[in-house]
Amino acid sequence: DVQMTQSPSSVSASVGDRVTITCRASQGIARYLAWYQQRPGKAPRFLISAASSLQGGVPSRFSGSGSGTDFTLTITSLQPEDFATYYCQQANRFPITFGPGTKVEIK
Amino acid sequence: QVQLQESGPGLVKPSQTLSLTCTVSGGSISNDSYYWTWVRQHPGKGLEWIGYIYYSGATFDNPSLKSRLTMSVDTSKNQISLNLGSVNAADTAVYYCARWVRRDYGMDVWGRGTTVTVSS
Repeated sequence: DVQMTQSPSSVSASVGDRVTITCRASQGIARYLAWYQQRPGKAPRFLISAASSLQGGVPSRFSGSGSGTDFTLTITSLQPEDFATYYCQQANRFPITFGPGTKVEIK
Repeated sequence: QVQLQESGPGLVKPSQTLSLTCTVSGGSISNDSYYWTWVRQHPGKGLEWIGYIYYSGATFDNPSLKSRLTMSVDTSKNQISLNLGSVNAADTAVYYCARWVRRDYGMDVWGRGTTVTVSS
């Protein structure tokens, strides 16, 4: 299986801050990388596909980059509704696997 | 817009079979742009892909569950189903169904999830 790791596991930040989350795959996955946001008690929300393509309705303060094994999700100017857990997911090889999540908390 | 709703028992006894249904409304399950997916989340943990099914009935599943897992589709009812046999406490989780977008290699519509507890 392709193992996905994320760092940091949690980050404390303030409204208006810039936050960067890193996702690393145990083997190359080209750009078959998606990002999700999950708020407590809610289903995940699809943010980004193909490493950098923003899904419809997702604010432009979210951006993604990377290819191969190393990827990043950046949130510029953090808003109150952005405090959540973020997961990366690879779809290059079966089984589809997720990273362990990064919790963005209020400082 | 498309909505997904999971249903099924919230409590299953160990060694029995967990059976869930996901009803798709607002769109056809036979749309060839999508796979219909099951994902679970253990309490306080991350996400685990269980598998997905195409409207034709073709399935792709997680090898870690393969021997216990059956997925099916009923296009007449616009539903998919999951059966997971020989459950144990480690199968306690929130189970989500979601729509996998083939073009985007990700899931754009999710159900609210249903909590399943395995306990005697």
